[in-house]
Amino acid sequence: DAGVIQSPRHEVTEMGQEVTLRCKPISGHNSLFWYRQTMMRGLELLIYFNNNVPIDDSGMPEDRFSAKMPNASFSTLKIQPSEPRDSAVYFCASSGQRRETQYFGPGTRLLVL
Amino acid sequence: AQTVTQSQPEMSVQEAETVTLSCTYDTSESDYYLFWYKQPPSRQMILVIRQEAYKQQNATENRFSVNFQKAAKSFSLKISDSQLGDAAMYFCALRKGGSEKLVFGKGTKLTVNP
Repeated sequence: DAGVIQSPRHEVTEMGQEVTLRCKPISGHNSLFWYRQTMMRGLELLIYFNNNVPIDDSGMPEDRFSAKMPNASFSTLKIQPSEPRDSAVYFCASSGQRRETQYFGPGTRLLVL
Repeated sequence: AQTVTQSQPEMSVQEAETVTLSCTYDTSESDYYLFWYKQPPSRQMILVIRQEAYKQQNATENRFSVNFQKAAKSFSLKISDSQLGDAAMYFCALRKGGSEKLVFGKGTKLTVNP
């Protein structure tokens, strides 16, 4: 079975540009998570969805960040406008009905110049 | 609030030897789950092992085992017969029952020397 799929794997952009990160969860999983990893703050949960509905977005840094899950097989995390401090690795993860374990995608390494 | 503490920023081990990574946590919940994730240089987060708090038996997965001390709120990871491919960052994580939020420690960087 395919794992969690994320695209792009790497993104380099200039400050002020819009960035869209994409995620396809494991088929059959009904919870999806977006994390950010930086050296300073470690791994932080930004937002998670259950059955396509946002449940907790308390980790979203500010209004420049938004996330959507239009269907069970696709989610996006958008940053508009991007800033250099947004540079990080962004992970998507999903879990199944029993919610016991989260499986992570390979991550998107974002660099904002 | 839940917290996870990994007090060893870096550890090293000789190939074929055994190493133990430490993790302590704090939670007021009685129902929770503990995890160890591995992050190699590729940055992929890989689940190593999982422990349910209600289970007294320590979880094992091949060369990986845990020492779960519930009263002491300690959850250490033992890697036996260390291999070069075990070199990675290791993260301890906690999730309380009924919630889907994972709280991660800061990680321990493991180096395996040939």
